[in-house]
Amino acid sequence: NAGVTQTPKFQVLKTGQSMTLQCAQDMNHNSMYWYRQDPGMGLRLIYYSASEGTTDKGEVPNGYNVSRLNKREFSLRLESAAPSQTSVYFCASSVSGRAGGTDTQYFGPGTRLTVL
Amino acid sequence: AQSVTQPDIHITVSEGASLELRCNYSYGATPYLFWYVQSPGQGLQLLLKYFSGDTLVQGIKGFEAEFKRSQSSFNLRKPSVHWSDAAEYFCAVGTGGFKTIFGAGTRLFVKA
Repeated sequence: NAGVTQTPKFQVLKTGQSMTLQCAQDMNHNSMYWYRQDPGMGLRLIYYSASEGTTDKGEVPNGYNVSRLNKREFSLRLESAAPSQTSVYFCASSVSGRAGGTDTQYFGPGTRLTVL
Repeated sequence: AQSVTQPDIHITVSEGASLELRCNYSYGATPYLFWYVQSPGQGLQLLLKYFSGDTLVQGIKGFEAEFKRSQSSFNLRKPSVHWSDAAEYFCAVGTGGFKTIFGAGTRLFVKA
């Protein structure tokens, strides 16, 4: 039981390049989330998926797109990377869409992205 | 709007000493409150959470937190710190739905 896995662990991009961050969970959770973590700012929600087939914007969605490929997988895409997107990205999952409520949220190990 | 303040950016305690990490929140209704821990290079792990009932909540790894509505606080405590507790700690508030608002974090250093 691996929990939440993310690939890659590290990535360096040049401004304007695109890439997709992959996330998968094996806990049969319905809901999945993408966060970014910046120094001194805690985690901020980019997008979330309450259930398979649905996605919604979070606090900082600009410059990102997501795909809930199936119940297990939730990817985050940067179409044209910018230096402001240099950050650590975390994927998380929970049983239902109540990560801010009664659910326990499980996090992956993160992807450290640098945009030059 | 909901917000979370962790006044201490970093704290250093001696191994075996007690620990208290402060957290203040802003939310109009009864909040859902969380403490997460992040070890270096790892994702976040839930330590404990409060959403109703007894205001003193027990968590994993010997941590506890107390909800004080009158002070809008949810401070994390541990009676005796171990070197393995060195990590970053995040307080968070939720409204019951999908959204969790995280504080900026407090980094804990443990000295021998």
